[in-house]
Amino acid sequence: EADIYQTPRYLVIGTGKKITLECSQTMGHDKMYWYQQDPGMELHLIHYSYGVNSTEKGDLSSESTVSRIRTEHFPLTLESARPSHTSQYLCASSEWGDRKAFFGQGTRLTVV
Amino acid sequence: GESVGLHLPTLSVQEGDNSIINCAYSNSASDYFIWYKQESGKGPQFIIDIRSNMDKRQGQRVTVLLNKTVKHLSLQIAATQPGDSAVYFCAENMRSGGSNYKLTFGKGTLLTVNP
Repeated sequence: EADIYQTPRYLVIGTGKKITLECSQTMGHDKMYWYQQDPGMELHLIHYSYGVNSTEKGDLSSESTVSRIRTEHFPLTLESARPSHTSQYLCASSEWGDRKAFFGQGTRLTVV
Repeated sequence: GESVGLHLPTLSVQEGDNSIINCAYSNSASDYFIWYKQESGKGPQFIIDIRSNMDKRQGQRVTVLLNKTVKHLSLQIAATQPGDSAVYFCAENMRSGGSNYKLTFGKGTLLTVNP
């Protein structure tokens, strides 16, 4: 089983609130990813990181930001949540050069 | 833009039959193509991958075929079981600059196995 954890599992929050979605992995993986997925739809890459102090924007433009201060931790922050941010957010990690990514359970975010 | 996509959004098969899930891609720079399985309420799970210089790879009950001429990828599941019911995604390890790669997914196919 993959050792990658996301919290919270579900989050309902009001418009304008600042939120941080947590993602941690204990596998020592260098690469980490954030994907956004609507129900029944594809995964859109919104952020990724090659290692500490490395962050890159993905294919889908997102108002969220990420940081990678520690290898094991890759939090995603929304400064001001809006209903359009309602979605599932999936975090993943992999070893450098490895195609096998391990995914967390996801955070289902609802902004009301 | 999107590089990986699937031909069919849904596939329904009888238990014990073989399943074939197809995927088209447009980016020839990818080194690997990967299949993931996502069960309801869970994150995707790695199934099998294939290097771009191969045309076939087999795993346990699964076979992936790669046709670079027509940029087509398929996943074959033998003797499909109810536990195989899930959404299947193809993905590619796409070069994102220098020696860096990023993992990009296409649209999924929902496989339903009827008992």
